[in-house]
Amino acid sequence: NAGVTQTPKFQVLKTGQSMTLQCAQDMNHEYMSWYRQDPGMGLRLIHYSVGAGITDQGEVPNGYNVSRSTTEDFPLRLLSAAPSQTSVYFCASSALWTSGSYNEQFFGPGTRLTVL
Amino acid sequence: AQTVTQSQPEMSVQEAETVTLSCTYDTSESDYYLFWYKQPPSRQMILVIRQEAYKQQNATENRFSVNFQKAAKSFSLKISDSQLGDAAMYFCAYRLAGTASKLTFGTGTRLQVTL
Repeated sequence: NAGVTQTPKFQVLKTGQSMTLQCAQDMNHEYMSWYRQDPGMGLRLIHYSVGAGITDQGEVPNGYNVSRSTTEDFPLRLLSAAPSQTSVYFCASSALWTSGSYNEQFFGPGTRLTVL
Repeated sequence: AQTVTQSQPEMSVQEAETVTLSCTYDTSESDYYLFWYKQPPSRQMILVIRQEAYKQQNATENRFSVNFQKAAKSFSLKISDSQLGDAAMYFCAYRLAGTASKLTFGTGTRLQVTL
């Protein structure tokens, strides 16, 4: 199992450019999510999905778009990049939780994005 | 909304000594999980230890243990016999029990391990 994979590992964009951060998992997890990590702020949830065709906003969704057409993939789109989106982005996945059960959340290796 | 607070931006410990990292959280829920994650320079997020809120017994994983005080909403991490490889950012995180598995993170504590 490759676990959670993210591409690219590093990316530099100019203001106004668009791009897609890729995330894939091979563990058949229903739940997938995107976080951003900024210095001094920990990780904050951008968007999440509880299954194919279902997505929802997290804490900081503005400027980002997601879709979930398959169980395996959960891409994050930046439609018009801004310097404020310079950050490290993490994708994570887990099986869906039910009351009384625990399913570990697995993180990808992260993508460092710089917007000039 | 749930919040997680780590009041120690940086900590330092000598090799083989013990260090405690602090974490407090705020929630009105009774069924939740708490976690400590380690993030070394590689950026990989590594789960160190977890605690179920309904369990009174403190979790332990080898040299890592927690002090969970539910009434005080406190969740500290103790690292015994510190090793150079323990140097990293440590994040405390909260997760409400249920299907939408959102993690709420603290701002992190950077741990240095000196010889």
